[in-house]
Amino acid sequence: SQQGEEDPQALSIQEGENATMNCSYKTSINNLQWYRQNSGRGLVHLILIRSNEREKHSGRLRVTLDTSKKSSSLLITASRAADTASYFCATVSGYSTLTFGKGTMLLVSP
Amino acid sequence: DSGVTQTPKHLITATGQRVTLRCSPRSGDLSVYWYQQSLDQGLQFLIQYYNGEERAKGNILERFSAQQFPDLHSELNLSSLELGDSALYFCASSPHGALAPYFGPGTRLTVL
Repeated sequence: SQQGEEDPQALSIQEGENATMNCSYKTSINNLQWYRQNSGRGLVHLILIRSNEREKHSGRLRVTLDTSKKSSSLLITASRAADTASYFCATVSGYSTLTFGKGTMLLVSP
Repeated sequence: DSGVTQTPKHLITATGQRVTLRCSPRSGDLSVYWYQQSLDQGLQFLIQYYNGEERAKGNILERFSAQQFPDLHSELNLSSLELGDSALYFCASSPHGALAPYFGPGTRLTVL
């Protein structure tokens, strides 16, 4: 079953612009993670934010978490063509198993 | 390269058949997870093993089974295959206490 719902489903921007993706979830969580998947390949872990954190940065990535609204956002600043991929949020509620959203497809054009 | 290996990369088979997908976790990782990614269902957790024992179960069909061997590699067995089983099957591994697993490149299963 899907826990997270990403918004938008697809996003098309130009290089240098910022990309923002949102994720909503339904149940209480231990942490929330964001993953990237390049066309049909494996998932790459980007960043993890714990339930008691509100914001986290990693390079050009910024993640926010609002547990009262059960939502998170991923901001990629100064996007590059190489950022073209699908991005998934995943929540962890009990054991370390991940419940994924449906993903946002990001296209960054040169 | 995450250090998690999966074989085969691609598998094409017919309905009703049985296949085995293999996963070798990163050296020292005790936990192995299996996930399925399909167009219909998205990414779904199937099952987790920890040091040879089943730890958690997700949306795994009764036709599917898995095990983790003493050397920590894992196999996912899919039987009586249906068209809808066509998907990418990912294995992931993590050391004890880790919060984020490392994913393998996946096995793409096509059922014709």
